[in-house]
Amino acid sequence: DSGVTQTPKHLITATGQRVTLRCSPRSGDLSVYWYQQSLDQGLQFLIQYYNGEERAKGNILERFSAQQFPDLHSELNLSSLELGDSALYFCASSQSGGLSYEQYFGPGTRLTVT
Amino acid sequence: AQSVTQLDSQVPVFEEAPVELRCNYSSSVSVYLFWYVQYPNQGLQLLLKYLSGSTLVKGINGFEAEFNKSQTSFHLRKPSVHISDTAEYFCAVSDGGGSNYKLTFGKGTLLTVNP
Repeated sequence: DSGVTQTPKHLITATGQRVTLRCSPRSGDLSVYWYQQSLDQGLQFLIQYYNGEERAKGNILERFSAQQFPDLHSELNLSSLELGDSALYFCASSQSGGLSYEQYFGPGTRLTVT
Repeated sequence: AQSVTQLDSQVPVFEEAPVELRCNYSSSVSVYLFWYVQYPNQGLQLLLKYLSGSTLVKGINGFEAEFNKSQTSFHLRKPSVHISDTAEYFCAVSDGGGSNYKLTFGKGTLLTVNP
C-alpha cells in the first residue's frame, strides 16, 4: 500500500459525458501528479500540482483539467469524453523539496467510455 | 527533452534463469533514473532509483541496475528470477528540475517467467 488513494476504482460512462477522478496523496506529500496509461500511448504524464499550484503540464488535452485543494487532495476532470479516453488514470504523490524524488503511485482509476 | 527507450517489449525467461531488461535514455541535463514494476491489475511500485553516487543500485526483490553515463543506459538485472516476477517493468527518467519531478516513462517490458 503506497498511501495514495484514488476513487473511484472503476468508472463506466458514455461519450460526451464528464467525470471527476479523485486522488488523496500520502500524508505530508505536497506534489500530486496525474498520469494516463493506455494501450496505444503507454504511460503519459498529464499534469503536476505542487501545494495547490499547477507546476508542470504534459500531454493533457484541453478537455481535461485538474486542481489541488487546500487539503492537498486533487481532482482530475475529464469532459466531452471520447472512446479514446478509455484508460487507466494514475495519481502519484511526492515530497517535493530536498532530495526526495520518489513518486508513490495510487492503484489507479479505470475509465471505460462506451 | 527527455526520452526513454526500452529495447525489448517482451522478455520470456525460465524460472531461476538470469534476466536483463534494457533501458536507454536521452536527456540534456543531469538525470535521475527509476525502475517501476506493475503487477497485473495493480498500480506501479518503485523497484529502485539512481539519484547520485554509486552507479550500481540495489532495489527490492533482488533486482539491481547499473547507471552507465557514457552509454546512457540503466539496465535492470536479476540473477535468478521467480514465477512471481512476472510483471511489466517500466524505466523512467526525471530531470529533477526545481519542484517539477516529472517522470518520462518508457513503453514498458513485459517479463514472463515460465516454469
